[in-house]
Amino acid sequence: QAGLTQPPSVSKGLRQTATLTCTGNSNVFGDQGAAWLQQHQGHPPKLLSYRNNNRPSGISERFSASWSGNTASLTITGLQPEDEADYYCSAWDSSVSARVFGGGTKLTVL
Amino acid sequence: EVQLVESGGGLVQPGGSLRLSCTASGFTFSNYAMSWVRQAPGKGLEWVSGISGGGGSKYYADSVKGRFTMSRDNSKNTLFLQMNSLRVEDTAVYYCAHDSGAYWGQGTLVTVSS
Repeated sequence: QAGLTQPPSVSKGLRQTATLTCTGNSNVFGDQGAAWLQQHQGHPPKLLSYRNNNRPSGISERFSASWSGNTASLTITGLQPEDEADYYCSAWDSSVSARVFGGGTKLTVL
Repeated sequence: EVQLVESGGGLVQPGGSLRLSCTASGFTFSNYAMSWVRQAPGKGLEWVSGISGGGGSKYYADSVKGRFTMSRDNSKNTLFLQMNSLRVEDTAVYYCAHDSGAYWGQGTLVTVSS
């Protein structure tokens, strides 16, 4: 079961914009894109975005997701110190009937 | 308020077995697929297994296929993960999660060590 590929780390300055990427095999994102989760150290993951850039209630509009072909992206605008965390993309790979996660990107806010 | 509470983790020797449970509340449990996801110390998330709302469809990661069995008791709003033939590399925090990813438990630590 091949996973999704994310850059291990991204660093951006306070109030800047970060774009995190997630690359998969062809068709893994289908017509719904990827889900994106945020995880702070010692805490369970929190869902930021799912299915066509839908945000759960309470998630800031600063988080937006998109995808094109085999690459999904999460854009975070106006970076804040609390955005420093690990970010994971996830998708259901119907070719193998399994959920796949990216390896995670550690976002550092300078 | 949705709550997912895992239990059953602990220390087990290689080759041993454990049964994890996850009790759900705050939503109609039987309507939703559920997943187990694990995270080894200092590592990323790894999907382990998924089950449909009625329990008739089950899916497993290659790394656990044939060793782990996922089940659910909708009358008790409880999810299970029976883990057999445990290996050192199964050491992780195990989370149960609503398949949408919107709800996660706090996790239960499984340590496989001699």
